[in-house]
Amino acid sequence: DGGITQSPKYLFRKEGQNVTLSCEQNLNHDAMYWYRQDPGQGLRLIYYSQIVNDFQKGDIAEGYSVSREKKESFPLTVTSAQKNPTAFYLCASTSPGTGGYEQYFGPGTRLTVT
Amino acid sequence: AQSVTQLDSQVPVFEEAPVELRCNYSSSVSVYLFWYVQYPNQGLQLLLKYLSGSTLVKGINGFEAEFNKSQTSFHLRKPSVHISDTAEYFCAVSVGFGNEKLTFGTGTRLTIIP
Repeated sequence: DGGITQSPKYLFRKEGQNVTLSCEQNLNHDAMYWYRQDPGQGLRLIYYSQIVNDFQKGDIAEGYSVSREKKESFPLTVTSAQKNPTAFYLCASTSPGTGGYEQYFGPGTRLTVT
Repeated sequence: AQSVTQLDSQVPVFEEAPVELRCNYSSSVSVYLFWYVQYPNQGLQLLLKYLSGSTLVKGINGFEAEFNKSQTSFHLRKPSVHISDTAEYFCAVSVGFGNEKLTFGTGTRLTIIP
């Protein structure tokens, strides 16, 4: 089955540690995205990538980093510089052929930092 | 820049009653509009989308939405809700063809009362 996988589902870290969230897609999509979701705030775009080896900052990129070395993979690193990293993180992908750039979402990773 | 407003953060509805979830957008150019549903601790799933053509769009699970350009609205409706419709619903907009970014509203939590 084609889709997007995110791992792990739940992640716990101590304050001051960097942590990397995984996102893999087998939909052959060109573009991939990372969103952060907090209660009552909807989805906010962290980073996105439209092609391999290229990515752009979204609305809340500070304290995060990404890489896009392969078309299928777009890992997100939450660094110790992120002031409030506890949140639900969603990965998505799309391509021009999907019609209006409909985005397909993964199941999410809930990160808790204490 | 475009924006999306979901006027109601929470909507309680009795089972088998009709429901309307409101969405207004702001954009000076043509838009694509989407409604997504999110069940607890899961990713987002597309309910329906408007790209062009008929302003009444039908989606999955018996939902439909009407695009109203003059009122810049894209309200979601269902004539008779079920317990299984309990979820959070997000309206999103992308601007013009070639823009791969979506802007999301803050979401409406739909609660079905037995």
